[in-house]
Amino acid sequence: DTEVTQTPKHLVMGMTNKKSLKCEQHMGHRAMYWYKQKAKKPPELMFVYSYEKLSINESVPSRFSPECPNSSLLNLHLHALQPEDSALYLCASTGDSYEQYFGPGTRLTVT
Amino acid sequence: KNEVEQSPQNLTAQEGEFITINCSYSVGISALHWLQQHPGGGIVSLFMLSSGKKKHGRLIATINIQEKHSSLHITASHPRDSAVYICAVSEYNNDMRFGAGTRLTVKP
Repeated sequence: DTEVTQTPKHLVMGMTNKKSLKCEQHMGHRAMYWYKQKAKKPPELMFVYSYEKLSINESVPSRFSPECPNSSLLNLHLHALQPEDSALYLCASTGDSYEQYFGPGTRLTVT
Repeated sequence: KNEVEQSPQNLTAQEGEFITINCSYSVGISALHWLQQHPGGGIVSLFMLSSGKKKHGRLIATINIQEKHSSLHITASHPRDSAVYICAVSEYNNDMRFGAGTRLTVKP
């Protein structure tokens, strides 16, 4: 299994909602990533978990809260988002070879 | 100055042409990645390099560690190659830095 899965594919939420994005991989990868990508821009790194511990937080606002319940799962909890947070949210994982495997992304719209 | 610089930003080619996209970086890296993203689509990893050269079908990627430079070549380009190609580097602490991407359009 060389796949990273993400759910949901699309999400529309209001500014007062609480929602979560989910990412899963079963490749035994040691590091998992959350990226945010705005239209026609490259991905921006948000968080990195290494061996289930948060190792990088790129000064992301606290309305984004990551969670790594186990080595296969990565969640991104969303609360009180702003319209400018609308973007494609990508998850990726990497093993010892450093090769990145990307999920298909969740397209988030904040209304 | 961005730590990963790509050129050109936009590239239009005729079907069959040989294409080169360049990437320069200024940080120490554990690996360099070439990624492909179709409009509205997810990202596919084309190559991951730490030295030398790799080939996959019509795609070739090279890296010169001393010069901190990499190139992605597409031979016999085809309209289905139209996509955004992104150069990214992994740092030793798992951090990833991305170039701005090259938007390639191949016309039939």
